[in-house]
Amino acid sequence: QVQLVESGGGLVKPGGSLRLSCAASGFTFSDYYMSWIRQAPGKGLEWISSITRLSDTSYADSVKGRFTISRDDAKNSVFLQMDSLRVDDTAVYYCARISWGEVRWFDPWGQGTLVTVSS
Amino acid sequence: SYVLTQPPSVSVSPGKTARITCGGNKIGGRSVHWYQQKPGQAPLLVIYYDSERPSGIPERFAGSNSGNTATLTISRAEAGDEADYYCQLWDGSTDRYVFGSGTKVTVL
Repeated sequence: QVQLVESGGGLVKPGGSLRLSCAASGFTFSDYYMSWIRQAPGKGLEWISSITRLSDTSYADSVKGRFTISRDDAKNSVFLQMDSLRVDDTAVYYCARISWGEVRWFDPWGQGTLVTVSS
Repeated sequence: SYVLTQPPSVSVSPGKTARITCGGNKIGGRSVHWYQQKPGQAPLLVIYYDSERPSGIPERFAGSNSGNTATLTISRAEAGDEADYYCQLWDGSTDRYVFGSGTKVTVL
């Protein structure tokens, strides 16, 4: 079945870095765009980054210049390099597959990985 | 940037119908998608392309979109429908994905 599994979350100090990974299975990974979405404690969903099949990238303003999305089709994985982390980056980070075509939605989602930025 | 507005909460009695709105400027001209998120779980797609249901989603979930409002309708509400619901669309002009602020549905 289609599955996404995130890893790499943890506790990091402000200004530090962390690299999240998302391993995909059950579908032809190279055919799909992928995305990272986060949810701060008790808050709503916030899209933060996406990557196309050709590795073109887009970012929310809140993370642009600090986060970098990448993919490795040989490993069926998408990554999120997070630098210059701030306290307000604390959240559960989900990876999600983006639907094909000109109308885009997220399905499925991984279970999420918690990132805590605190001194 | 495009903004989607949802009511913070909706209450419904068991067996009755809940309607969750998602407001946006001329949203009827865009495609809207809906997610259900239960506590401690990842979001789950329940409606895509305004009104299409993924396999496994009960027919009790229906979507519509017109004018400045998209609506998720839950018929014959059950206790298991208690969750947060989010609307979402893709703004192709900016290549940004937008979520509504979420609506907490309580069945009581």
